[in-house]
Amino acid sequence: KAGVTQTPRYLIKTRGQQVTLSCSPISGHRSVSWYQQTPGQGLQFLFEYFSETQRNKGNFPGRFSGRQFSNSRSEMNVSTLELGDSAVYLCASSPRIGTSAYEQYFGPGTRLTVT
Amino acid sequence: DQQVKQNSPSLSVQEGRISILNCDYTNSMFDYFLWYKKYPAEGPTFLISISSIKDKNEDGRFTVFLNKSAKHLSLHIVPSQPGDSAVYFCAASRTLNEKLTFGTGTRLTIIP
Repeated sequence: KAGVTQTPRYLIKTRGQQVTLSCSPISGHRSVSWYQQTPGQGLQFLFEYFSETQRNKGNFPGRFSGRQFSNSRSEMNVSTLELGDSAVYLCASSPRIGTSAYEQYFGPGTRLTVT
Repeated sequence: DQQVKQNSPSLSVQEGRISILNCDYTNSMFDYFLWYKKYPAEGPTFLISISSIKDKNEDGRFTVFLNKSAKHLSLHIVPSQPGDSAVYFCAASRTLNEKLTFGTGTRLTIIP
């Protein structure tokens, strides 16, 4: 099975701009979660989508939003970028079935640099 | 509020010896605990998990121990190999359907 893919892998944006990141989960996985990884904070949960519905949300401002399509692919959008948004954004998919439900499979991440 | 803490940012261990990575949590409602391993420029990969009804789970060279009264878990790697050099994250959740809360990670370096 192909793994989780994320595009683009690297991105440089300017303060005030907006950005859209894309994630394709493992085939058959219906849950997609997004995380922000920074050196001092580790992985911080942004939100989770399951069957096109947002099921969980972390403590991030409304500038961070997401959506999931009927094929389980997901996009994450950050508007009005700030310097502090510079991070690696990781996407993870999960089958959400049974006892392995919480074992998430991560993509390689998108490194976003805001200048 | 960091509910899952990995107080050691880095750890160096001689090849062949035991590596012990520690993780503490503050939320007594956490029932599921996982360890992930991350190489540079790659996403974290699932390593091993444990639920609160157990105090130990083994998978090959990897063993996770859970001490619920101390709100502490640890990952033991025996014997340590050079390929184990990576950043290790512990994570926890309250239920199977709730979000994972991650620690800040520990960078493990295995010295040949």
